[in-house]
Amino acid sequence: EADIYQTPRYLVIGTGKKITLECSQTMGHDKMYWYQQDPGMELHLIHYSYGVNSTEKGDLSSESTVSRIRTEHFPLTLESARPSHTSQYLCASSDSGAQYFGPGTRLTVL
Amino acid sequence: GNSVTQMEGPVTLSEEAFLTINCTYTATGYPSLFWYVQYPGEGLQLLLKATKADDKGSNKGFEATYRKETTSFHLEKGSVQVSDSAVYFCALSDRSNYQLIWGAGTKLIIKP
Repeated sequence: EADIYQTPRYLVIGTGKKITLECSQTMGHDKMYWYQQDPGMELHLIHYSYGVNSTEKGDLSSESTVSRIRTEHFPLTLESARPSHTSQYLCASSDSGAQYFGPGTRLTVL
Repeated sequence: GNSVTQMEGPVTLSEEAFLTINCTYTATGYPSLFWYVQYPGEGLQLLLKATKADDKGSNKGFEATYRKETTSFHLEKGSVQVSDSAVYFCALSDRSNYQLIWGAGTKLIIKP
């Protein structure tokens, strides 16, 4: 079954740690996206990719980085986590129409 | 530029009531329109979509019609259930950059 996966689902870490949030999709979609969202609130696009080796920053300034070495994989990295990074991070993929979302990673930085 | 405006929540209804969540948009060209639903602690799920004027999207008892003359895509359901409690997002596609423009979301609370 085609799907989109995110790990971990929940993460609690200390300030200054480096973290990577994983996102993988089995739908063969070229386009992938990362959003930041406080639960139930507006979505803010932080990164997107139109294909392998393509990455762009979104509307919301973010201290995170992304990579797209394989079509199915779009990890997000925070080099030094801070309490202001506490939020939910949603990954999505698209075939140029609707976007399809993973279950999200709830990040808490102490 | 493109934008989406949703009615503010929370919207609180009793079970079996009729639901309308308003969504209006501003766009150049002919975007596709979407409704997504987000249950607590989860990602967003595509609820329904419409790709051109007068199209009606429907799923799980929910409906929305793409009205170009009023630039609207209101979500409706004839009889809501407690399990419909969630946050609902309206969105339009920006075909120039393959991104979605999102409304702010409307929280729906259904009381038994």
